[in-house]
Amino acid sequence: DAKTTQPTSMDCAEGRAANLPCNHSTISGNEYVYWYRQIHSQGPQYIIHGLKNNETNEMASLIITEDRKSSTLILPHATLRDTAVYYCIVRPYNDYKLSFGAGTTVTVRA
Amino acid sequence: DGGITQSPKYLFRKEGQNVTLSCEQNLNHDAMYWYRQDPGQGLRLIYYSQIVNDFQKGDIAEGYSVSREKKESFPLTVTSAQKNPTAFYLCASTLAGLPDTQYFGPGTRLTVL
Repeated sequence: DAKTTQPTSMDCAEGRAANLPCNHSTISGNEYVYWYRQIHSQGPQYIIHGLKNNETNEMASLIITEDRKSSTLILPHATLRDTAVYYCIVRPYNDYKLSFGAGTTVTVRA
Repeated sequence: DGGITQSPKYLFRKEGQNVTLSCEQNLNHDAMYWYRQDPGQGLRLIYYSQIVNDFQKGDIAEGYSVSREKKESFPLTVTSAQKNPTAFYLCASTLAGLPDTQYFGPGTRLTVL
């Protein structure tokens, strides 16, 4: 059962902000939104997570809508090294099962 | 250095043979995971283990088996019952199932001829 919906792919210009959308209309009250990315042929890397407040760290910002049915991951100044597949996942914080979907392939172009 | 090791990096087997993929971690993580990735596709969860001597099926467990006899080790056996075993296999671990602590190994690319 698909809990999140992401676009299959998107392009972004180097130096510009990349805004990656994710729909999670059936999210439960105890489920967090997590973002990972996978650079080609490597294991995924954790980026950020949030429950309902917007979050920011050194890699990205996460904006969650007030109804929590969608979110946006923002890479503020995309570089060529940000080219990767980005996964949006919703799950309870301490649920051991970690499933990934198909993700969004982001290509940053010079 | 702490981390996850998977061996070998590339593995070739004949159709109908069972094959075991190794995964070892020295992070003292409680939970371990196996994922499968096909070309151009996302990761799919095969099995996961929260604690020694216990494991649960993921989304695509058919044709696979695992064991968790030690905290640091979680080997995956791809059996002859797995219809399309050729894929990239990734092992991961987390501290008590917390996804912001998840680390991945470098992966094993299995090709069945």
